[in-house]
Amino acid sequence: KQEVTQIPAALSVPEGENLVLNCSFTDSAIYNLQWFRQDPGKGLTSLLLIQSSQREQTSGRLNASLDKSSGRSTLYIAASQPGDSATYLCAASYSGAGSYQLTFGKGTKLSVIP
Amino acid sequence: GAGVSQSPSNKVTEKGKDVELRCDPISGHTALYWYRQRLGQGLEFLIYFQGNSAPDKSGLPSDRFSAERTGESVSTLTIQRTQQEDSAVYLCASSLGVRSDLSYNEQFFGPGTRLTVL
Repeated sequence: KQEVTQIPAALSVPEGENLVLNCSFTDSAIYNLQWFRQDPGKGLTSLLLIQSSQREQTSGRLNASLDKSSGRSTLYIAASQPGDSATYLCAASYSGAGSYQLTFGKGTKLSVIP
Repeated sequence: GAGVSQSPSNKVTEKGKDVELRCDPISGHTALYWYRQRLGQGLEFLIYFQGNSAPDKSGLPSDRFSAERTGESVSTLTIQRTQQEDSAVYLCASSLGVRSDLSYNEQFFGPGTRLTVL
């Protein structure tokens, strides 16, 4: 069974700090890995999508990496801001039938303290 | 352009009643997905529609759950004879399609429908 794990479940940092969120997955036959943020009462906002042939993607202060051999992805947030406070979800899709299905982790709840 | 929209945003129902949840995908997106997020759990895949192909219903938890999609537009998720364990946030997503081109696979989510079964 494919599983996605995110540790820690919650993280609190002071404003301005750089931070890394971790995601691990159990199957190296990964197709895509997508990072989302979820704000209370709202849906998911797509942040970055990495295809299995890529090693990283960058968007503004965000950088996501993918290491298939170790089954890990990280989301790096530079110079964190209070507006970054949200739950960050990692989701993987796998090669083969059902490659469109996303398997989600339970998320890391980030609090950036002013 | 407009994102994925869902209605209602909240639904409270009594055990045993049927409910219908609606999703409007982003215009031009051929692929549509339904997920469920129960309290304290990760999102679970329910069903997938791609164009006129037969939907992938492999994630539906029981035969009380069904979904339809009209062409490449609106989708409805129906839960019959609701149970308390059906209480969750139901999220809909859409993407341009599914193929090797990275941009086609990116899924965009709606705000969800919070279902509470009393």
